[in-house]
Amino acid sequence: DVKVTQSSRYLVKRTGEKVFLECVQDMDHENMFWYRQDPGLGLRLIYFSYDVKMKEKGDIPEGYSVSREKKERFSLILESASTNQTSMYLCASRGLITEAFFGQGTRLTVV
Amino acid sequence: RKEVEQDPGPFNVPEGATVAFNCTYSNSASQSFFWYRQDCRKEPKLLMSVYSSGNEDGRFTAQLNRASQYISLLIRDSKLSDSATYLCVVNNLNQAGTALIFGKGTTLSVSS
Repeated sequence: DVKVTQSSRYLVKRTGEKVFLECVQDMDHENMFWYRQDPGLGLRLIYFSYDVKMKEKGDIPEGYSVSREKKERFSLILESASTNQTSMYLCASRGLITEAFFGQGTRLTVV
Repeated sequence: RKEVEQDPGPFNVPEGATVAFNCTYSNSASQSFFWYRQDCRKEPKLLMSVYSSGNEDGRFTAQLNRASQYISLLIRDSKLSDSATYLCVVNNLNQAGTALIFGKGTTLSVSS
């Protein structure tokens, strides 16, 4: 069965902390994505990666960075967490022509 | 103009009703189209892909009009379990990689 796993369901971090969100997929997919979802704003693309060590900015990359050292793992990094980064973060992966599969989401609260 | 636009709703319908959702997209080079469903506090999941000729899956029918850059989803004989948010999704292959762009979603509430 297809699986995208995010490392945490819920996280609470302090302002200024460096935060790592991890995502692992077991489908050998080339493409991986990080979105954030906020009420009234829908899913917004932060970054995506189409190959190991390759990354592209999405619509809202400011304040975030990513890392893809292995094909199955795509990490989202908040360099210095701020309260406006409180959100639901969703990781997804997709093959060249397949649908996208999502992880269960990480609800991050920055206090 | 936003890349993918949907009527946010909410659509409140009784069981058995037929309901239609519309979606427009701005990039004429968009290649692939999908409808996803998202239940409250859950991740989005694929409901159906949308093909140029239109396609049907049980009570669900999806249509694509490339000339008008318009996608629709029709749900017949609504069930309580259809209550969810429906996301229109577009794949733009002219960007680096193959990013999926999501609409903000249309909320459906089916009542007995």
